[in-house]
This record gives sequence, C-alpha cells and structure tokens, in this order.
Amino acid sequence: QQQVKQSPQSLIVQKGGISIINCAYENTAFDYFPWYQQFPGKGPALLIAIRPDVSEKKEGRFTISFNKSAKQFSLHIMDSQPGDSATYFCAARKMNRDDKIIFGKGTRLHILP
Amino acid sequence: DAEITQSPRHKITETGRQVTLACHQTWNHNNMFWYRQDLGHGLRLIHYSYGVQDTNKGEVSDGYSVSRSNTEDLPLTLESAASSQTSVYFCASSVGGRDEQYFGPGTRLTVT
Repeated sequence: QQQVKQSPQSLIVQKGGISIINCAYENTAFDYFPWYQQFPGKGPALLIAIRPDVSEKKEGRFTISFNKSAKQFSLHIMDSQPGDSATYFCAARKMNRDDKIIFGKGTRLHILP
Repeated sequence: DAEITQSPRHKITETGRQVTLACHQTWNHNNMFWYRQDLGHGLRLIHYSYGVQDTNKGEVSDGYSVSRSNTEDLPLTLESAASSQTSVYFCASSVGGRDEQYFGPGTRLTVT
C-alpha cells in the first residue's frame, strides 16, 4: 500500500522553465508535507514544507501548492536552473507526531542548460 | 559544527556475513532512523529509535537489527547479508516533536 504517490518518475525541463512534481496521499491523518532534495552521492535534505492549513507556501523559486480536498500537493520550481538537477521526494507525516515520515518514490529532475 | 556521519561510505561483503553500518550524530537528537534507498522504491524505513534503549521496526525490517545504547549512535546490523540487501543506506536524526529529519551522507552496500 503506497501511502504517498509521486509523479513523474523523471522529468526533463529546459533552463528557465517551470518544473512541476505532483504527489497524492490517502490518509487524512497526515498533517505535515515536506519536500526533500537529494543531489547525487549525498543524503536528502529538507527543501520546503507545508501544513494543511495553508494552500500555498513559497520560498524563493520553490513553491508548494496544497489541495486538501483533493489530497494532492505539488512542488513548482520557477526559472529552473541546471543546479536544480536532483532527485526530489515528497513526503507526509501523521498527526500523532511520532516523527515517522513516509516518502514518495522520488522524481529525478534534469534541467537542460 | 554538529553533524551526522555514517561509516563506512562503501562496503562490499559476501552473502551470509554479518555487517554493521555505523551512524553517529552530534546534535543530541532523540530520534534516529535508518532507511534504504533503491531505484523505483524511494526511501523505505528500516528501523527507528526515539531514545536510548528504544527501537522500533519500520516497513522493511526483516534481516536487520538496531540497538541504541547512547543518544549519539544507532548502528544497523545485517545478521546474514543477502543480495537483496544491496542498497544505499541512509541514517537520519531529528529532534523529538520537530519536523525536519537530517540525513547522513549514506553507505553504499554491495552483497556479492
């Protein structure tokens, strides 16, 4: 049972374009939705996160859009740069705050120079 | 600077051998986690701990064990390594009640 479904598996975007990665979840008990960024040979690192009481959160060129009724959230990378090429994981955590995070399967993003 | 380290970074072992992967964090975080990363599967939780002497099974715990004797370390042991355990292993830690997990650099394990 896959609790967080992420798409696409891979994505190629031209430099300056918008990269969009989508995630869907099933469990309404989730209350924290982070995105992690992972560069080759490195561990994942928190990029941006959102709680379900807001519909959008923006940090620089990165924006999370959240649709609670549809149980979907997405990451938008504006003005995508070659340095954004990485694997991105969406994730979710339950309200009981036991700190376990459930990750999506990841999206490999490649930005063409 | 506080950090989380893993050792070794690369390991090749034979089927049936016992292997221990080390994880050490200097943030004094209560929570520690072990994940494995495989293409097409993302990050899957193996074991986790909320403090000294506390350990819990994750979704893919078969064939793995952990012990937590102090706050800083959570070693992961493969009792009898199998080829299916060839993977990249990540350790992470977090402050109890906070949201962000901090990941180590990973250990690439190959079981031949």
